[in-house]
Amino acid sequence: GAVVSQHPSWVICKSGTSVKIECRSLDFQATTMFWYRQFPKQSLMLMATSNEGSKATYEQGVEKDKFLINHASLTLSTLTVTSAHPEDSSFYICSARAPTSQETQYFGPGTRLLVL
Amino acid sequence: QKEVEQNSGPLSVPEGAIASLNCTYSDRGSQSFFWYRQYSGKSPELIMSIYSNGDKEDGRFTAQLNKASQYVSLLIRDSQPSDSATYLCAVNANSGYSTLTFGKGTMLLVSP
Repeated sequence: GAVVSQHPSWVICKSGTSVKIECRSLDFQATTMFWYRQFPKQSLMLMATSNEGSKATYEQGVEKDKFLINHASLTLSTLTVTSAHPEDSSFYICSARAPTSQETQYFGPGTRLLVL
Repeated sequence: QKEVEQNSGPLSVPEGAIASLNCTYSDRGSQSFFWYRQYSGKSPELIMSIYSNGDKEDGRFTAQLNKASQYVSLLIRDSQPSDSATYLCAVNANSGYSTLTFGKGTMLLVSP
């Protein structure tokens, strides 16, 4: 149980384009999902908390107009990187909190983004 | 500022030895504690969770929690080369909050 998927697993795009990443909880309903970013040899950095049916809560320093988050259902959250630039190239990982797990987060496999 | 501290390592142990990974946290009100394993280029996977003082064992893994001293540790018995990875300690900031604060991770290298 507690399986989280992400799509796509990797993406290469041109600078200035937008990229959408999907995060799905496959066998449980997640009222809360989280989006992280990890640069090479760096630690996980929380970008935002996504709550189903409400606006996402962004961490300090994360531009909400650049990183659009939508959590339209209990099993799907999307992150759209708008007008991507090379400095946005990173490993984007989502996680979902299982409702009866005392804050346990289960991670998706991640999406590697390369902006040319 | 809620902080979770880990030694970055690498921690090198021979195959079959016990690996001991440590983590300290700053928020005394923290309620839930987690250990994740992250292989290079992969996302973190949950190894163990612990909520009460003392030891919790699961196979070769034992998590230890001491809230008075604000530390949590992970012991890996009979270490295998496949255990070589970065181990992330995560702490639930406080009751009522659902975000986790992650340490920077300790790299473990198990040599054959």
